[in-house]
Amino acid sequence: SQKIEQNSEALNIQEGKTATLTCNYTNYSPAYLQWYRQDPGRGPVFLLLIRENEKEKRKERLKVTFDTTLKQSLFHITASQPADSATYLCAPPDGQNFVFGPGTRLSVLP
Amino acid sequence: EADIYQTPRYLVIGTGKKITLECSQTMGHDKMYWYQQDPGMELHLIHYSYGVNSTEKGDLSSESTVSRIRTEHFPLTLESARPSHTSQYLCASRRGQGYSGYTFGSGTRLTVV
Repeated sequence: SQKIEQNSEALNIQEGKTATLTCNYTNYSPAYLQWYRQDPGRGPVFLLLIRENEKEKRKERLKVTFDTTLKQSLFHITASQPADSATYLCAPPDGQNFVFGPGTRLSVLP
Repeated sequence: EADIYQTPRYLVIGTGKKITLECSQTMGHDKMYWYQQDPGMELHLIHYSYGVNSTEKGDLSSESTVSRIRTEHFPLTLESARPSHTSQYLCASRRGQGYSGYTFGSGTRLTVV
């Protein structure tokens, strides 16, 4: 069955450093993948979409890569700030819907 | 700014009561979804709709039902609430075509006592 894994439940980094979150998927080959941010008690917010023919996508301090050979997407936040603390979810498509990964809880320490 | 609204934001209700969680969107999106999420846990799809008069069950079995009589409105109903229904319920929508992402509402935190 299709499976999505995201690195460690929680990631703590120091303010100003680059946070790198991973999303690994098995048993299927999505043509694109989305990333979301979720704050406690709120719904996820769409951040970025990357297609299989785009090796890298950037938006301000965010960068996403998509390696279809490794079946992996990496999500980077550069110059991280305490306000970046949240849970980040990857979401590949499943038919016309999306499947959300378990998420990685990022804490940026001042 | 998200244009999808869920009410109520919080609800505490007794066992056996019938409840309806409201979800409305003003973006004209064809596709709408209901997810269930416990604190610190994954999102689970419980219902979805691709348009008016179209509803499907999601991956997680749920005792709730939904209806889609108007494009903008996708209410979720529990005929008889139980403590096991205590959770957060999130409504989302997206455009029918293309690679658009979901727009989520703020959620309804349901507690059944």
